[in-house]
Amino acid sequence: QKEVEQDPGPLSVPEGAIVSLNCTYSNSAFQYFMWYRQYSRKGPELLMYTYSSGNKEDGRFTAQVDKSSKYISLFIRDSQPSDSATYLCAFREGGGNKLTFGTGTQLKVEL
Amino acid sequence: NAGVTQTPKFRILKIGQSMTLQCAQDMNHNYMYWYRQDPGMGLKLIYYSVGAGITDKGEVPNGYNVSRSTTEDFPLRLELAAPSQTSVYFCASQTASNQPQHFGDGTRLSIL
Repeated sequence: QKEVEQDPGPLSVPEGAIVSLNCTYSNSAFQYFMWYRQYSRKGPELLMYTYSSGNKEDGRFTAQVDKSSKYISLFIRDSQPSDSATYLCAFREGGGNKLTFGTGTQLKVEL
Repeated sequence: NAGVTQTPKFRILKIGQSMTLQCAQDMNHNYMYWYRQDPGMGLKLIYYSVGAGITDKGEVPNGYNVSRSTTEDFPLRLELAAPSQTSVYFCASQTASNQPQHFGDGTRLSIL
C-alpha cells in the first residue's frame, strides 16, 4: 500500500463549481497536513497548513482533515479559471523535517 | 521579496558531464531541501539541511551531492550526469521545524 494516494485527474469543471480534491494516507505518524498549488512551470505554492482534525477555511478554500479515516480534502468554492493548476497534498510526521507528497491532481476550470 | 531563487531555469547536459544547481534564500531560513519532480511521481526528497554545515540524505540521494557553507545557499551537485537524472529540481526552505516549506520555481534539467 502506498503511503499517500491521490487521484491524478485530470479534473475538469465549469467556472463557479465546487471542487473537491482528496488524499488518503496510511502513516499514522503524520501530524501536519498541507495543500500546495502548482501552476505550470512554477514551484509549489502553499495554500493550506493544518495540524488537527477538522476544517480550516481561507477565503474560497477549505481544508478538511479526518485523522481517524486517514483522509484529507481540499474544497474550492466558486472555482475560477485562475484555479487551474495541479494540487499537491503533503504530510509531515510530528517532530519531523521531511514532507511526503501526493502525486498531484490536475484541475482545469473552464469558462 | 526574492524568497527562494534557483538558477539556472533550464539546462541541457550530455551524459557524464557535471554541473551545480544553485539555490539561494534571503529569508534567513535554517532548513533547506532539494527535491526532484518526475511526471506522475510527485516530489521526491534528494537531500536536506537543518543549518549551515549540516546535511543529510533524503529518499533518492544517489548521484547527487550537497554542501551548506552558509545559511543562504544550498547548491546541489551532479558529478556524472545520467539520463535517469532528467527531471525538474526544486529547492525549498523553512524557517523552523514543523513550519511550512517555501519553494523556488525549479530548474528543468535534460540529460542527453
